Amino acid sequence: AQSVTQPDIHITVSEGASLELRCNYSYGATPYLFWYVQSPGQGLQLLLKYFSGDTLVQGIKGFEAEFKRSQSSFNLRKPSVHWSDAAEYFCAVGAYSGNTPLVFGKGTRLSVIA
Amino acid sequence: DTGVSQDPRHKITKRGQNVTFRCDPISEHNRLYWYRQTLGQGPEFLTYFQNEAQLEKSRLLSDRFSAERPKGSFSTLEIQRTEQGDSAMYLCASSPSRMTGGFNNEQFFGPGTRLTVL
Repeated sequence: AQSVTQPDIHITVSEGASLELRCNYSYGATPYLFWYVQSPGQGLQLLLKYFSGDTLVQGIKGFEAEFKRSQSSFNLRKPSVHWSDAAEYFCAVGAYSGNTPLVFGKGTRLSVIA
Repeated sequence: DTGVSQDPRHKITKRGQNVTFRCDPISEHNRLYWYRQTLGQGPEFLTYFQNEAQLEKSRLLSDRFSAERPKGSFSTLEIQRTEQGDSAMYLCASSPSRMTGGFNNEQFFGPGTRLTVL
């Protein structure tokens, strides 16, 4: 069965510190991987996506993610966190072969302290 | 490109009432998805349309739920005889029908409709 695991429910980092959010997936076919961000009461905004090629992908707002097939991981990183990055982050997996529903993780809530 | 829009943004209703939500996808997208998100969880798939055809329904979509996309443009999601367990954020997403810009299956989400059932 397809699944996404985000092991960290809540992470707190200091402003200016680096960030890594973990994501592990289980998918039977070639995966198409996404990271979305959600501010309170809002919809989802796409940060970045990966489906092939360079395993290190760059996204918006200074985020990047690295696909590691051997570890079934797609971790999100940012070298220096800003207070405005405080939000909920969701990792999702879909089928590369076609338009199918996405399977989401339960999310990681990021808090940023001064 | 005005993005995916949803109406209403918030809905409060009493248990047993019927509610209907609307989603307007990005105009050139022919695929439309509905997801439900409860507190502290990620979005969960409900149903999916390609043009006006409903192609897939999740087991989460009980017989009290019905979705339509009559002309392949906007979609409605109706919940009959609402229950307190229906309280959630209902998210709509759309995606293009073919690879554009090299990315298939990229779903664009609307702001959601938050339903509270009292």
